[in-house]
Amino acid sequence: EMQLLESGGGLVQPGGSLRLSCAASGFTFSDVFMSWVRQAPGKGLEWVSCANFRDSSTYYGDSVKGRFTVSRDNSKNTFFLEMNSLRVEDTAIYFCAKGRGRTSSYELWGQGTLVSVSS
Amino acid sequence: EIVLTQSPATLSLSPGERAALSCRASQTVNNYLAWYQQKPGQAPRLLIYDTSNRATGIPARFSGWGSGTDFTLTISSLEPEDFAVYYCQQRSDWPITFGPGTRLDMK
Repeated sequence: EMQLLESGGGLVQPGGSLRLSCAASGFTFSDVFMSWVRQAPGKGLEWVSCANFRDSSTYYGDSVKGRFTVSRDNSKNTFFLEMNSLRVEDTAIYFCAKGRGRTSSYELWGQGTLVSVSS
Repeated sequence: EIVLTQSPATLSLSPGERAALSCRASQTVNNYLAWYQQKPGQAPRLLIYDTSNRATGIPARFSGWGSGTDFTLTISSLEPEDFAVYYCQQRSDWPITFGPGTRLDMK
């Protein structure tokens, strides 16, 4: 069975950093697109980033470009989101999501991890 | 960026009724349009991908259609568990974008 499990969320001050992890089971990253999607409290879904590890291409939303970076650890089948220079407006539940094959139609989601940016 | 607009913002219907939710794109998305359902406290669930293909395990009462810039999700006969928020999403171009959602409420 395919599963995603996020961790690493928490409370951080503006300007701080945080690294989110997404542990995957039941599939391998090399065959799919992996993404992060966030949802601010009471708001809609916002796409954050996507990685195609087959060709090492990565994509970012304008609101996080230059501040967030995605990476992976193949040995642990884990996908990461490194978040720097955090802002209050980055406060959200962060979901990792698996695309259908090498597409960005997200067929599998984790349960989400809450990031709160506040002083 | 491709902007998705969903209408109506809220739809109030009763179980057994038919629901039609609209998603309009600011430019063509080449049929690379998906629909998700989200219930409170849960992650989104993929319902439809590439305009009209039901995802694994999705009941046949959910169907999608459209082309170019105008798309519709139809629920043929509402079940109590269908009352939720529905989002459309395009993967035609970067950045990937979601619509603002349609809340489907029980009347």
